[in-house]
Amino acid sequence: AQKVTQAQTEISVVEKEDVTLDCVYETRDTTYYLFWYKQPPSGELVFLIRRNSFDEQNEISGRYSWNFQKSTSSFNFTITASQVVDSAVYFCALSEEGNFNKFYFGSGTKLNVKP
Amino acid sequence: GAVVSQHPSWVICKSGTSVKIECRSLDFQATTMFWYRQFPKQSLMLMATSNEGSKATYEQGVEKDKFLINHASLTLSTLTVTSAHPEDSSFYICSARDLGTVGYTFGSGTRLTVV
Repeated sequence: AQKVTQAQTEISVVEKEDVTLDCVYETRDTTYYLFWYKQPPSGELVFLIRRNSFDEQNEISGRYSWNFQKSTSSFNFTITASQVVDSAVYFCALSEEGNFNKFYFGSGTKLNVKP
Repeated sequence: GAVVSQHPSWVICKSGTSVKIECRSLDFQATTMFWYRQFPKQSLMLMATSNEGSKATYEQGVEKDKFLINHASLTLSTLTVTSAHPEDSSFYICSARDLGTVGYTFGSGTRLTVV
């Protein structure tokens, strides 16, 4: 079974629209970490956020916000007032207590922001 | 911040030849580095964990004799794809953990095309 599911393969929005990228995870561990990474066309993975399983507080960083809900095993990412530069593939990832170094990545969501 | 340099960024090689990819941590020491493979429009899959001064740990299904990993120093890990075949064509990306940060820093990736 897939540990991290990103059901949205591709999303297209017009600049200034808000967009939410969904991430659902599956783990039996009580201690785990969730991550979001951005992969622009150049290929590198850019770290956006890490959240541990004991911290359900939502976080906001500029136009980015994250909603972590253990009850639904979701860690969704919202971009407010999207910009063309936000166009990229976004990956959600999970690492578990057994081996925090091993990341389980979702399949990614490609975000296209059109001017 | 932590920077991981990966070289080359792209390479084309003939079937049957070997290709070496380098991953360097530029401003921190990394006792452990990680090698991922990403197929087109798919997620990243962990191939192996590279340990400085010892043998790499390979994920299930990854051929260790085909994907040779050497971690000779605290700042350099190399992945050699031996006797490459067209099915080895993929995007390879490394990562390293800087203990001073909360995330894992990824390299810019190497696109390998075997013809």
